[in-house]
Amino acid sequence: EAEVAQSPRYKITEKSQAVAFWCDPISGHATLYWYRQILGQGPELLVQFQDESVVDDSQLPKDRFSAERLKGVDSTLKIQPAELGDSAMYLCASSSPDRGETYEQYFGPGTRLTVT
Amino acid sequence: RKEVEQDPGPFNVPEGATVAFNCTYSNSASQSFFWYRQDCRKEPKLLMSVYSSGNEDGRFTAQLNRASQYISLLIRDSKLSDSATYLCAVNDLDGGGYNKLIFGAGTRLAVHP
Repeated sequence: EAEVAQSPRYKITEKSQAVAFWCDPISGHATLYWYRQILGQGPELLVQFQDESVVDDSQLPKDRFSAERLKGVDSTLKIQPAELGDSAMYLCASSSPDRGETYEQYFGPGTRLTVT
Repeated sequence: RKEVEQDPGPFNVPEGATVAFNCTYSNSASQSFFWYRQDCRKEPKLLMSVYSSGNEDGRFTAQLNRASQYISLLIRDSKLSDSATYLCAVNDLDGGGYNKLIFGAGTRLAVHP
């Protein structure tokens, strides 16, 4: 069964440092999502890509977060500088259909970030 | 009011019991609904999709009530392995015509012997 890959699985960093997460979606999935999940809450969408284009980054803190998907396949999410409040699980998901259609999202294992 | 609301629980039930969770949503235009299961410190895994009035898969039944804007998840004959957090997700079409999911905070289920 095809899966979404993410790395690293765990990351501990000091505040003010830079950190990057990588995601490889299910092959052929044009839509890729980055979510942040704080303990006790549901996943919150940070950024959504359709192929290589950002279609929704309204909840991305753009002063410190950036995301790219240069070739429309894998993606990188970066935080610089990290703050204590960024400690969370960062989840990547992908889905297949075109815009406007119903769809299902499949999640990768996530990266658990701890900022000290 | 939150866009998607769930009772956080926990629901503590004995093995073999039937348990039901509700999830209310605020956007009456939403067309697609999902239940995800999330184990502690793991990723959400898709449990069921609900596109019309309901869906059934073995011991699990999901129902949609558009008039009252809620979906429910019913688990029959609960197993210890059903212990997890159940996340409700509702689709939302943004201004650009792209689907995105809005998640509830989840309902925790604990099944005991």
